[in-house]
Amino acid sequence: GDSVTQKEGLVTLTEGLPVMLNCTYQTIYSNAFLFWYVHYLNESPRLLLKSSTDNKRTEHQGFHATLHKSSSSFHLQKSSAQLSDSALYYCALSAGYQNFYFGKGTSLTVIP
Amino acid sequence: EAAVTQSPRNKVTVTGGNVTLSCRQTNSHNYMYWYRQDTGHGLRLIHYSYGAGNLQIGDVPDGYKATRTTQEDFFLLLELASPSQTSLYFCASSDAQGTNERLFFGHGTKLSVL
Repeated sequence: GDSVTQKEGLVTLTEGLPVMLNCTYQTIYSNAFLFWYVHYLNESPRLLLKSSTDNKRTEHQGFHATLHKSSSSFHLQKSSAQLSDSALYYCALSAGYQNFYFGKGTSLTVIP
Repeated sequence: EAAVTQSPRNKVTVTGGNVTLSCRQTNSHNYMYWYRQDTGHGLRLIHYSYGAGNLQIGDVPDGYKATRTTQEDFFLLLELASPSQTSLYFCASSDAQGTNERLFFGHGTKLSVL
């Protein structure tokens, strides 16, 4: 069945270093939509990025991701981590008119 | 911005207790979902619905019932709460599935079962 894998459960980075959170997915459907949601403490999870276009970079709030269907990946990146980026990040898949599938989440902590 | 409101924000009950979590969305979305969030497991789908009177089973339904009374309202029921159901529960809504339509989440209900 469809699934999403986020390998890193916990990531700790020093402020100013680049961010890369990994996301790979499996789906039998060709019309796959990939999302990154961010969950800050005591807030609602909210959409950060989404894409369905192969090899096209999508950007929002300093973060970017490119959907690569050949490798079934949608990694989240940022050139320079900020303290305010500390949050829980979820990669999610929606395909074939099925449910949303979430990865287990990556908790990002940025330290001074 | 779509609004999803959950109540209560916090709930403490005892083992065997009866709990109802409420969710209301005000954007006429077709789909509503209940998730639980646990460290190491992420967001897991309990139940979802694509309209009033409809109910679909999610990935972790055991011990939970749900009911969609109207387009706006979706309830999660724990009739015999157990400590394993201590978690942070999120309600979400979306206009469609399998498309680029995103989920809108509520602020969550923190449930503690003692």
